Amino acid sequence: AQSVTQPDIHITVSEGASLELRCNYSYGATPYLFWYVQSPGQGLQLLLKYFSGDTLVQGIKGFEAEFKRSQSSFNLRKPSVHWSDAAEYFCAVGALNTGTASKLTFGTGTRLQVTL
Amino acid sequence: DAGVTQSPTHLIKTRGQQVTLRCSPKSGHDTVSWYQQALGQGPQFIFQYYEEEERQRGNFPDRFSGHQFPNYSSELNVNALLLGDSALYLCASSGQGWDTFGSGTRLTVV
Repeated sequence: AQSVTQPDIHITVSEGASLELRCNYSYGATPYLFWYVQSPGQGLQLLLKYFSGDTLVQGIKGFEAEFKRSQSSFNLRKPSVHWSDAAEYFCAVGALNTGTASKLTFGTGTRLQVTL
Repeated sequence: DAGVTQSPTHLIKTRGQQVTLRCSPKSGHDTVSWYQQALGQGPQFIFQYYEEEERQRGNFPDRFSGHQFPNYSSELNVNALLLGDSALYLCASSGQGWDTFGSGTRLTVV
C-alpha cells in the first residue's frame, strides 16, 4: 500500500529565509510524486510533479523539489520565502492507470507560517 | 477555459439526512475523482469515475455513492449523514494526465 509521511506539522520561517518541507513516501513501484498547496478554505493547487528523468524538478512560484530514491524522499524547497507563501502544503503519491491518473495518497500536510 | 467547478460551496445538513454534491470537470477531462478532507487532515480518496462507472474506491462505507453522467459531470451522494462526515469534499478531474482540483464543498453536519 502506498503512503506518505510529512513529519513536520507546522513550520515557521521569516520572510526571505529559505524553506525545506520534508516528505517521505512508501510505494511498491516507481512513484509519481506531487506537491500541492492549499490556502485556507480553498482547493488544492499543484506546485510541481515528478514522473521520471531529472530528479530535481521546478515548479510554480519559485518552488523546487528533489526526488531521492535511496531515501524515499521528495522534499520541497524554496530559496527565499514570501509572506504570500503562508499556506498548507501537501505531498502526494500516485500512479497512472491505463494512462489516466490513479488515486492520490496524501500526507497530513505541513502548515507554513511566515513571519515578517 | 473553466476549471473544475463544484456546487454548492457550503452546505449544512442534519444528522441522518442525505446530501448530493455536484462536480463539473475541466473541459477535455473524462475522469472524476472525489476526496474527503477532514479538518486538519490531508485529502482521502473516496472513489473515481470513468466512462460512467466506478473504477476505483477508497476505504469508505457504502453510504458514499456516486454517479457520472454522459457529459462527464459527477455527483457524490452521502446517505444517513453522521457528524463525522463534516468535511471539505474535493472533486478532481483528469484526462490523459493528472488531477485538477476544484475548490470544494464544505459540508457541515449538525
